[in-house]
Amino acid sequence: EDQVTQSPEALRLQEGESSSLNCSYTVSGLRGLFWYRQDPGKGPEFLFTLYSAGEEKEKERLKATLTKKESFLHITAPKPEDSATYLCAVQGGSEKLVFGKGTKLTVNP
Amino acid sequence: NAGVTQTPKFQVLKTGQSMTLQCAQDMNHEYMSWYRQDPGMGLRLIHYSVGAGITDQGEVPNGYNVSRSTTEDFPLRLLSAAPSQTSVYFCASWDSDTDTQYFGPGTRLTVL
Repeated sequence: EDQVTQSPEALRLQEGESSSLNCSYTVSGLRGLFWYRQDPGKGPEFLFTLYSAGEEKEKERLKATLTKKESFLHITAPKPEDSATYLCAVQGGSEKLVFGKGTKLTVNP
Repeated sequence: NAGVTQTPKFQVLKTGQSMTLQCAQDMNHEYMSWYRQDPGMGLRLIHYSVGAGITDQGEVPNGYNVSRSTTEDFPLRLLSAAPSQTSVYFCASWDSDTDTQYFGPGTRLTVL
């Protein structure tokens, strides 16, 4: 059974304080690992897709990396507007996405 | 493009009532899904469809029905609402060219 575990559950940072969110996964035949951002009261918004170990993708202050067992979402010099819940999901051989429970990030000014 | 739209935004039902959550997308995506999101549980797949006329069950399908008569629409039916179905429901469509999933704004359902 495909599984995704995200840590920490919640993270509070000061503006400019860089950190990383973790997504550990077990999946049979990884087809893709996905990161989403979700603001309160809204639907998830797509950020990145990673397909193979060693792959990295960047967008503004965010960089996602992938190994065979986990993915990291690195946040460099975060701003208050980066506050959101970040979701990780994997797609395996069944093609269905399995989501983690998310990490709630708060960036204080 | 309106993207993925969902109606209603909020709904309150009594136990045993039935209703349909509407979902539509204007991006011509074949693959569409319904999820529910509960505190501490993450997003869980209810049903999905890989094209008009084709649907399949996800992780938590009991108590829900779907149909897909057109590419654009993918309604979710609650047959006899139960308090355990109180949740936020998200519809999503998948762009297979870019492996990007687009979510709707959600429907917050309360069953009393």
